[in-house]
Amino acid sequence: KNEVEQSPQNLTAQEGEFITINCSYSVGISALHWLQQHPGGGIVSLFMLSSGKKKHGRLIATINIQEKHSSLHITASHPRDSAVYICAAYLFGNEKLTFGTGTRLTIIP
Amino acid sequence: DAGVIQSPRHEVTEMGQEVTLRCKPISGHNSLFWYRQTMMRGLELLIYFNNNVPIDDSGMPEDRFSAKMPNASFSTLKIQPSEPRDSAVYFCASSPKTGRDTIYFGEGSWLTVV
Repeated sequence: KNEVEQSPQNLTAQEGEFITINCSYSVGISALHWLQQHPGGGIVSLFMLSSGKKKHGRLIATINIQEKHSSLHITASHPRDSAVYICAAYLFGNEKLTFGTGTRLTIIP
Repeated sequence: DAGVIQSPRHEVTEMGQEVTLRCKPISGHNSLFWYRQTMMRGLELLIYFNNNVPIDDSGMPEDRFSAKMPNASFSTLKIQPSEPRDSAVYFCASSPKTGRDTIYFGEGSWLTVV
């Protein structure tokens, strides 16, 4: 069982919809990244967070360390948000990132 | 800053050939990571360096893979001899320091071994 799990694996939505992608982890972590990967493209870290909530434009990331859960929200989704979103966590005692399997998001105009 | 720079972006090579992937991290970053991404296994850490010293190479698949970081501004990942199962996207990333810090990825090197 992967220590970092994401859901859903695939998500298709209409433009303008509110999007939520979930990440849960089974062990203690010190911080978590949300990464974005466009088709054929590189990987960009959208957020790194260890508590609470962060917001950047239409993107919001939250984390609840006690519940071992993080969410990435996209408000007013747009076709350009179509990408794979990956959560990656620093497990306690480990300086390496452990990756989730990714969520493929498609926003239809 | 230009970001993490990788070369080549795309490489097609024949089985048995040597492949060398190159990476220039962001200036001033102390940590450098090599990742491999495949459809089957997703993103996997191969090796990471801190201050040019290899810290953890437990992700390197086998002896055919080797990585070096001769100075703070350059790293290589070498596969010799290459095999079709090595076909993947190889990402280099750098971070100001190891552990809880922002990480910056290169555009990736798309390797196909035929």
